[in-house]
Amino acid sequence: QQQVKQSPQSLIVQKGGISIINCAYENTAFDYFPWYQQFPGKGPALLIAIRPDVSEKKEGRFTISFNKSAKQFSLHIMDSQPGDSATYFCAASMFSGGYNKLIFGAGTRLAVHP
Amino acid sequence: SQTIHQWPATLVQPVGSPLSLECTVEGTSNPNLYWYRQAAGRGLQLLFYSVGIGQISSEVPQNLSASRPQDRQFILSSKKLLLSDSGFYLCAWKEAGGTDTQYFGPGTRLTVL
Repeated sequence: QQQVKQSPQSLIVQKGGISIINCAYENTAFDYFPWYQQFPGKGPALLIAIRPDVSEKKEGRFTISFNKSAKQFSLHIMDSQPGDSATYFCAASMFSGGYNKLIFGAGTRLAVHP
Repeated sequence: SQTIHQWPATLVQPVGSPLSLECTVEGTSNPNLYWYRQAAGRGLQLLFYSVGIGQISSEVPQNLSASRPQDRQFILSSKKLLLSDSGFYLCAWKEAGGTDTQYFGPGTRLTVL
């Protein structure tokens, strides 16, 4: 019940296209949903995050869409660029056992071809 | 602004040798601190978390231990490394009582041979 399922595992998009990564969760106690971007050999960096009382959040070319009833959320990267090629992780957070627990999806490796 | 450091950046150790990885955070007080391990091409697995000096909780029983000797210092240790301990170790911090966002360090690549 604390899992976060992420798909697809890998994604190839042409430059200028839209990249879409999906995540689903079961536990309704999750109340914060961040997306992280990770380049090879580096630590994950926060990209954008959303709370369940908001259905969409946009920051530049990155948009999170959130469907509370379906327990799903997705990341859309508009006008994808080769520099966006990285691994993307969705995550879900809840307060449990005295601390904020962050559960990660398995990751999506995105390749943007020029 | 806040900064998180990890060292060493890479480490190659023989099986059975000890381990000590260090993480320090600057620019904040009493942060929540976390150790994660990332296997190649996989997601992040939480190993330990700490809400204060000397307060360590483990998520997964294993060959590793953690300590927090100072407010902004978090150490991951092992007395005897196993081959299965190889991976990318990430330290993260979160503002105590603040938002739920965790910020990650640059990581340590550990190879056990």
